Parts: sequence; C-alpha cells; structure tokens
Amino acid sequence: ETGVTQSPTHLIKTRGQQVTLRCSSQSGHNTVSWYQQALGQGPQFIFQYYREEENGRGNFPPRFSGLQFPNYSSELNVNALELDDSALYLCAGGRGGLQETQYFGPGTRLLVL
Amino acid sequence: GENVEQHPSTLSVQEGDSAVIKCTYSDSASNYFPWYKQELGKRPQLIIDIRSNVGEKKDQRIAVTLNKTAKHFSLHITETQPEDSAVYFCAAIDLSYSSASKIIFGSGTRLSIRP
Repeated sequence: ETGVTQSPTHLIKTRGQQVTLRCSSQSGHNTVSWYQQALGQGPQFIFQYYREEENGRGNFPPRFSGLQFPNYSSELNVNALELDDSALYLCAGGRGGLQETQYFGPGTRLLVL
Repeated sequence: GENVEQHPSTLSVQEGDSAVIKCTYSDSASNYFPWYKQELGKRPQLIIDIRSNVGEKKDQRIAVTLNKTAKHFSLHITETQPEDSAVYFCAAIDLSYSSASKIIFGSGTRLSIRP
C-alpha cells in the first residue's frame, strides 16, 4: 500500500551475532531512512541515505551501518548484536527534498536472545 | 538536539466524543508536521500533515492546528469511532535540502475509544 516492503518480517538472533535487514522501495524514492522502534516507544531515527550516500545519522553507534542501491533497495546491518537491539526496524522511502514525506514499510521485528 | 514532546501518553474517550493530542517541538527550522497512526503490530501510517505556511488543515473527522510562534501543534479527532483506537505519533521535520529530512517523533499517545 505504501510501495515499501521489508524482509524478513521476523528474525531471531543471539547476542554477538550480525544481522542484515532489507528494504525495497518504489521507483523515484531517492531517500531511504531507517528507524528503530522499541516496544511502547516512538520510532528513533538511525540514518538516512540519499542517492546511495549517508545523509544524516541519529544517535546510534557505528555498529549500525547501511547501504542504498541504485534499484531503490537498501540494507541495514547491525554488528555485535546486543539484547537492547531487540525492536521493530522500520524503513521509510521518500522522494526527498522540499514538500515530500516518507512512507513506511511494514517493519522487521528483531529479537536478540 | 531536536526534540518533540507529546501529551497525553494515554487517552480514553467515549465513542462519539472528541480527542485532542498535543505536541511541542524544539527545532525552529521544522517546517513539516505529519501525524501517524500505528495499530498494534503494523506500520505507522500517515493520516494527516501540515506545512508551516498554514495554521490549520482538516480532513473529514481529523484536523490539525499549528502555532509556529509557540512551536505547538495538535491533532483533533471528532465523532470518534472504535476503529480510531491506536497509537498516534506526531512528528516534526526540517524538509530543507541542506539537511537530512529525518523525522523526529513524539513518544506516542495510546488512544482508546470506549463503546
């Protein structure tokens, strides 16, 4: 419904492992942003990519990294997983620039044990 | 850094009554204010937004007001219905080209509609 899809829908990892989450946006979405939403809280901005380059970052450590590809897909990579990384991870696509908003994917729910 | 405060955290209203959720923001460069509705286990969905050049916008039972001087904006839902029950998030964004258009979300309001 928003043109943004994410995979996988659910994921279980153990502490110390690495994870890659994927997002696919529709044609024309030059920006992709990633958010972490812990249970009962609002989404927290991780970073944004614009035309394949990082264009802003929130208060997340370097073990959170990302990539954006020319085909409007992107990845969020998290190394050395910690228990507190358990959350819903949302990506949002948009055209970027003035007067534009972002549309969320359904999210990937990550559980770190 | 930028901050958005949202109140109340929970709100229960009788079906048919009105609900009001209020937000304040800190970044004076913010110029776009969307509201998202998130049902349990689902993605946030944009329900209404307002740009900084207008003071009020209405879409059927939903309205948003903005006071840029006071850095306040509010969501008003009239004639509430059971399907309005959800968590609502306000957000503030600086959409200028010179910065990443990151969304700063409020902490959310859990709205419950009593039958």
